[in-house]
Amino acid sequence: ETGVTQSPTHLIKTRGQQVTLRCSSQSGHNTVSWYQQALGQGPQFIFQYYREEENGRGNFPPRFSGLQFPNYSSELNVNALELDDSALYLCASSLLGRGQETQYFGPGTRLLVL
Amino acid sequence: QKEVEQDPGPLSVPEGAIVSLNCTYSNSAFQYFMWYRQYSRKGPELLMYTYSSGNKEDGRFTAQVDKSSKYISLFIRDSQPSDSATYLCAISLGGADGLTFGKGTHLIIQP
Repeated sequence: ETGVTQSPTHLIKTRGQQVTLRCSSQSGHNTVSWYQQALGQGPQFIFQYYREEENGRGNFPPRFSGLQFPNYSSELNVNALELDDSALYLCASSLLGRGQETQYFGPGTRLLVL
Repeated sequence: QKEVEQDPGPLSVPEGAIVSLNCTYSNSAFQYFMWYRQYSRKGPELLMYTYSSGNKEDGRFTAQVDKSSKYISLFIRDSQPSDSATYLCAISLGGADGLTFGKGTHLIIQP
């Protein structure tokens, strides 16, 4: 069984730029969720995608957007980067309708905004 | 009041001790309760999953949920240095709600 993978592992951007992070779901899963984890904090829910549509969203502004593709892989896009966007971005996959709450995480992408 | 409260530690115990980790939450509607382990600079790893109240055991790990007190616990028996990590509790309403995490407790097992 293939686990959740994310790319890139690390990224450095400057304030105002745009960034795209990528995630491949665990084999057999159909739902992808994205989380932001600041240093010393627990992950914060950004949004969830199911059937290529946003299925739920946390308290993040519209400049955080996403996509899910037919193969269940996903992208997180962040526009107009701010210094506070520096964090570990985590992707998690799950199977809707069967223990959806059991989410399996990838290794994360560490983003630094200068 | 935050939705999930968790003592960040650090919690330092000797090898072989029983470890008790805890979280409290405020919304009684939460139905799904999880514990994740996160090593430094890695993604969270699912340890335990519980639906509603009760106990669940898996090897050296036991998860307890007391919905009447809004209190969840993770016990680790015969703790090992390899258990040193940050332990995150997570709760969910279900559906498309997303997981709500505590801050995480940094656990150190001393050889």
